[in-house]
Amino acid sequence: SYELTQPPSVSVSPRQTASITCSGDKLGDKFASWYQQKPGQSPVLVIYQDNKRPSGIPERFSGSNSGNTATLTLSGTQAVDEADYYCQAWDSNTADVVFGGGTKLTVL
Amino acid sequence: QVQLQESGPGLVKPSETLSLTCAVSGYSISSGYYWGWIRQPPGKGLEWIGSLYHTGGTYYNASLRSRVTISLDTSKNQFSLNLTYVTAADTAVYYCARRHYSSGFHDFWGQGILVTVSS
Repeated sequence: SYELTQPPSVSVSPRQTASITCSGDKLGDKFASWYQQKPGQSPVLVIYQDNKRPSGIPERFSGSNSGNTATLTLSGTQAVDEADYYCQAWDSNTADVVFGGGTKLTVL
Repeated sequence: QVQLQESGPGLVKPSETLSLTCAVSGYSISSGYYWGWIRQPPGKGLEWIGSLYHTGGTYYNASLRSRVTISLDTSKNQFSLNLTYVTAADTAVYYCARRHYSSGFHDFWGQGILVTVSS
């Protein structure tokens, strides 16, 4: 079965740039999306179709996807961005959905 | 604005069937998109359970396929999840969500419902 690998944790200082990676075999051939989840809340879509932001998501969130790695980048990270982040891939051939294990972003 | 709301029992006995319903407002489920379920065991990550296209095609996580059924009730604008022969490993927060048909992302989520499997 297809697997996505994320680092368990990433730390960043306020106003700095944080990058969270998501690795999977030929992930660049699939669509990647990213979700933010704060404690006790439902996940919120922050990036879809590799690099698009839904309305209402700040411009400091950006995404890329190439080769075997998708990356979520937060520029000018704020304390409010502290949360768990999950990547997700969708295989158009099998229609299967796969989530990464999640990354806890800590803003120090 | 599309809104989803899960409902169902919060406690299910081992070996019984977990049944949840997701009521959708702000969009007619018969108009398009996939409608699906995702779960999250306490303190763990997200796991996709399955998705159902508005015309009826279903796709399930291979690890759960033998126990899962997702169905639509267009007259009530809701969809349901049945998971049979549950064990403690099925204890989780269950989310319903709308899934984009060609890119696979989930754009609207319910608030989630905690289901505990215990005797």
